[in-house]
Amino acid sequence: EVQLVESGGGLLQPGGSLRLSCVASGFTFSDFSMSWVRQAPGKGLEWVSYISGSGSTMYYADSVKGRFTISRDNAKNSLYLQMNSLRAEDTAVYFCARRVAFDHWGQGTLVTVSS
Amino acid sequence: DIQMTQSPSSLSASVGDRVTITCQASQDISSYLNWFQQKPGKAPKLLIYDASNLETGVPSRFSGSGSGTDFTFTISSLQPEDIATYYCQQYDSLRPLTFGGGTKVEIK
Repeated sequence: EVQLVESGGGLLQPGGSLRLSCVASGFTFSDFSMSWVRQAPGKGLEWVSYISGSGSTMYYADSVKGRFTISRDNAKNSLYLQMNSLRAEDTAVYFCARRVAFDHWGQGTLVTVSS
Repeated sequence: DIQMTQSPSSLSASVGDRVTITCQASQDISSYLNWFQQKPGKAPKLLIYDASNLETGVPSRFSGSGSGTDFTFTISSLQPEDIATYYCQQYDSLRPLTFGGGTKVEIK
């Protein structure tokens, strides 16, 4: 069974940093691209970042480019999102999702940026 | 960027009704379109992939059609458990991947 479990969310002040993690199981992690998708409270879904299976290709939404960094450790079946220079508008539930077709999702982790 | 225009933004229908949601892409995306269901407090769930293919385990009352720029999602007979928000998503272009604005489905 495919499972994705996010962690690392929390409450922090504007300008702060946070690292989210997503641990995968039930499939060969390195064979699949992964993405982070977020959802602000009461709002729709917004794709944040993509990484290829090998980790060699990454893409970002304009809203996070230069502030967020996606990475993965295929030996640990883990996906990461390093978030720097956080803003109030980054407040959201962050999901990891498999493939660009988003066929499997984690349960999400809440990031709240507030002074 | 490929814009996904989804309509309506909300709808109210009776149990047993046929429900239709549309999604229009700002440029040709072939059949690279998904439909998701999201219930409150939960992660989205993939229902339809490649515009018209039913994901394993998804009830057959859900269906999708279309290609190019115009797509339709249908619930043939609305059930109480279908109350959710539905999203379309294109994956023709990764830069960026984009979602429709969502359709909230309620029971009348």
